[in-house]
Amino acid sequence: GENVEQHPSTLSVQEGDSAVIKCTYSDSASNYFPWYKQELGKRPQLIIDIRSNVGEKKDQRIAVTLNKTAKHFSLHITETQPEDSAVYFCAANRDDKIIFGKGTRLHILP
Amino acid sequence: DAGVIQSPRHEVTEMGQEVTLRCKPISGHDYLFWYRQTMMRGLELLIYFNNNVPIDDSGMPEDRFSAKMPNASFSTLKIQPSEPRDSAVYFCASSLWEREQFFGPGTRLTVL
Repeated sequence: GENVEQHPSTLSVQEGDSAVIKCTYSDSASNYFPWYKQELGKRPQLIIDIRSNVGEKKDQRIAVTLNKTAKHFSLHITETQPEDSAVYFCAANRDDKIIFGKGTRLHILP
Repeated sequence: DAGVIQSPRHEVTEMGQEVTLRCKPISGHDYLFWYRQTMMRGLELLIYFNNNVPIDDSGMPEDRFSAKMPNASFSTLKIQPSEPRDSAVYFCASSLWEREQFFGPGTRLTVL
């Protein structure tokens, strides 16, 4: 079955710097890769997603890249701000469901 | 739409008691998912339904867990009997096919 590995598990960056979170997946049939953000005590919410027919997608300060050959995808956050502090989950689809990575706790340092 | 609704938001119970968690998906969504979140295991898919039919329950930890979806607007997740290791946040989510999953606010379950 699908296995999604995510790293790092914790990431601290200075405010204004960039943050990168990386994920790998195992099922070559996966074609949908969403990223969710979960603030403390809140529910996970989708921030960006990418499908396998594109290699990159950008939305303001957030971008996601996908390398289907290597089964890698990454989240890039530029010009980080305090409100970016949260846990970020990558995911990949398998059949009708999505499999989540274990999450990355992002700390934005003042 | 009010989004995905879950109840109760918090549940504290004693070991051995039956626990029932409830979920109302977004109207028109045909997929409903139940997740469990813990620090140790992350976000785990327990079971999901399509058009009220259970499709994959391979994530249900054991026979103490059961889930139903009697109609398109209501689902329950039941634990009987509950154990301390069941303590977690349980999320319900709904979606359309291959579209964003919308999560409910979650139920924080504590089993003493």
